[in-house]
Amino acid sequence: DGGITQSPKYLFRKEGQNVTLSCEQNLNHDAMYWYRQDPGQGLRLIYYSQIVNDFQKGDIAEGYSVSREKKESFPLTVTSAQKNPTAFYLCASSPGLAATIFAYNEQFFGPGTRLTVL
Amino acid sequence: DAKTTQPTSMDCAEGRAANLPCNHSTISGNEYVYWYRQIHSQGPQYIIHGLKNNETNEMASLIITEDRKSSTLILPHATLRDTAVYYCIVRLEYGNKLVFGAGTILRVKS
Repeated sequence: DGGITQSPKYLFRKEGQNVTLSCEQNLNHDAMYWYRQDPGQGLRLIYYSQIVNDFQKGDIAEGYSVSREKKESFPLTVTSAQKNPTAFYLCASSPGLAATIFAYNEQFFGPGTRLTVL
Repeated sequence: DAKTTQPTSMDCAEGRAANLPCNHSTISGNEYVYWYRQIHSQGPQYIIHGLKNNETNEMASLIITEDRKSSTLILPHATLRDTAVYYCIVRLEYGNKLVFGAGTILRVKS
């Protein structure tokens, strides 16, 4: 089945520890995204990547880092510098540069990872 | 970047049409209107999008006013499973980013 997978679904970490959230897609999409969602809030963009080996900061990139070494993978590291890391993290992908009709570039979302820092 | 305004919440009776409004008065000529929904603790799900013509698919209809300053998402026969947060989004020109506001909480009641 084609889709986006995020693991684990629930993650607990102690304060001060770095933690890496996994995101994998087998849709052959060029673009991938990381969003954060807090209770009762909309999604906020952390980082996005249009193509392998390239990524851009979103609106709330401080305290996070990413890498895009492979097209299908876009891991997110929540560092100890992130002041309020407890949140629901969503990964998404879209055809991006591969889209023949640019406007039909909907994003497909993974199931999310709920991170709790104790 | 164009922003959207949606009501905080709405209720709808099961089996009735749910009409979710969205204002996007600063939308530019080549920006599309997208609708997503998010059921509790799941990832957002794409519903429909449009530029200026009304659109319909198996999930919903999208009505965009002639001046494009507002739109309405219509779920023709709402079910309890349609209870979710519905996001109206105007797509940014730069990159493929989508900016999500707070959305509308739709509660479908039996």
